[in-house]
Amino acid sequence: DGGITQSPKYLFRKEGQNVTLSCEQNLNHDAMYWYRQDPGQGLRLIYYSQIVNDFQKGDIAEGYSVSREKKESFPLTVTSAQKNPTAFYLCASSIYLGGGQPQHFGDGTRLSIL
Amino acid sequence: EDKVVQSPLSLVVHEGDTVTLNCSYEVTNFRSLLWYKQEKKAPTFLFMLTSSGIEKKSGRLSSILDKKELFSILNITATQTGDSAIYLCAVEAVQESGTYKYIFGTGTRLKVLA
Repeated sequence: DGGITQSPKYLFRKEGQNVTLSCEQNLNHDAMYWYRQDPGQGLRLIYYSQIVNDFQKGDIAEGYSVSREKKESFPLTVTSAQKNPTAFYLCASSIYLGGGQPQHFGDGTRLSIL
Repeated sequence: EDKVVQSPLSLVVHEGDTVTLNCSYEVTNFRSLLWYKQEKKAPTFLFMLTSSGIEKKSGRLSSILDKKELFSILNITATQTGDSAIYLCAVEAVQESGTYKYIFGTGTRLKVLA
């Protein structure tokens, strides 16, 4: 079955530590996205990528970094510069960016600070 | 600034009731409006609306868009406990750069009691 796989499901970070969240898709989609979801708030866009080797900052990119070396993979690194990283992180993909395409979402990674 | 506002924030009903969820938006260069259902983890796609006044229907769920008044509603008839979820509204818009972005509302948390 085609879909998006995020790992791990739960992640704990110590102060000053960088952590990387994995996102893999086998839908052959060009566009991929990372969102952060906090209680009582909507999904906020961290980074997105329209195509391999290209990515753009979203609304809350500070303290995060991404790479897009392969079409299938779009890992997100939460750096120590992100002072409030505790949240639910969702990865999504769409056939391409724009054109009225719905996004497909992974099951998310819940990140907590130790 | 682009924004999407959903109401109510939360709602508790009994099985068999009919509910109406609202989504209003102020977005430059609107392209489409999307509804998603989020039960525990991954939001799943429900509807995409691009034209005013055309109802989209899937079983007990239906949705319609009013581009003049800038809102959409999601109706659920004969609710069941399985409808309990967060319902997310997102608007796809064209940015000044020519790229597209999705703006999400905070969601409506629906709980259906047996």
